[in-house]
Amino acid sequence: DGGITQSPKYLFRKEGQNVTLSCEQNLNHDAMYWYRQDPGQGLRLIYYSQIVNDFQKGDIAEGYSVSREKKESFPLTVTSAQKNPTAFYLCASKVERNTGELFFGEGSRLTVL
Amino acid sequence: AQTVTQSQPEMSVQEAETVTLSCTYDTSENNYYLFWYKQPPSRQMILVIRQEAYKQQNATENRFSVNFQKAAKSFSLKISDSQLGDTAMYFCAFMKHVKGGSQGNLIFGKGTKLSVKP
Repeated sequence: DGGITQSPKYLFRKEGQNVTLSCEQNLNHDAMYWYRQDPGQGLRLIYYSQIVNDFQKGDIAEGYSVSREKKESFPLTVTSAQKNPTAFYLCASKVERNTGELFFGEGSRLTVL
Repeated sequence: AQTVTQSQPEMSVQEAETVTLSCTYDTSENNYYLFWYKQPPSRQMILVIRQEAYKQQNATENRFSVNFQKAAKSFSLKISDSQLGDTAMYFCAFMKHVKGGSQGNLIFGKGTKLSVKP
């Protein structure tokens, strides 16, 4: 089945450690996105990529990094510079320049101990 | 910059009744897309309904319909014959349109938590 796979589903990190969240899609979508979700905040954009080897910062990019070496993959690294990394992270993708519908993964819950 | 506002943090409705969730947005764009997404307790985001701003006719999807008022920048979601499975967070979202389709990212409201009571 086509879809978006995020891993791990749950992740625990000690303060000062970098962690990488995986996002893979087999939908042949051009664009991929990372959103952060906090209670009462809705979804906020971290980074997005419209084509391979190119990506743009979203509203809350500080303390995060991404890469887009393959069309199918868009990993997110939460660095030690991110002051409040405990959150739910959602990856999404869409065919660029279509009607705009985003398809979402099931999310990754990161907890900093 | 575009903003999306959902003024109802929580709502509840009795099973089989009708409920309307409110959403307003602010943009200087003339062409854009509006969406309602549902996030059940599983946290998987699911598209409920989509509206193209250039279409005057309100979108409908089975029990879900919207009331799109472009001049008022309002985009409410009506759920008819509410079911227990409709219990979820509902997010209103905006994406601007460019020639050939949409562009950029989806801008979300903060969500409305809907509880359907038996």
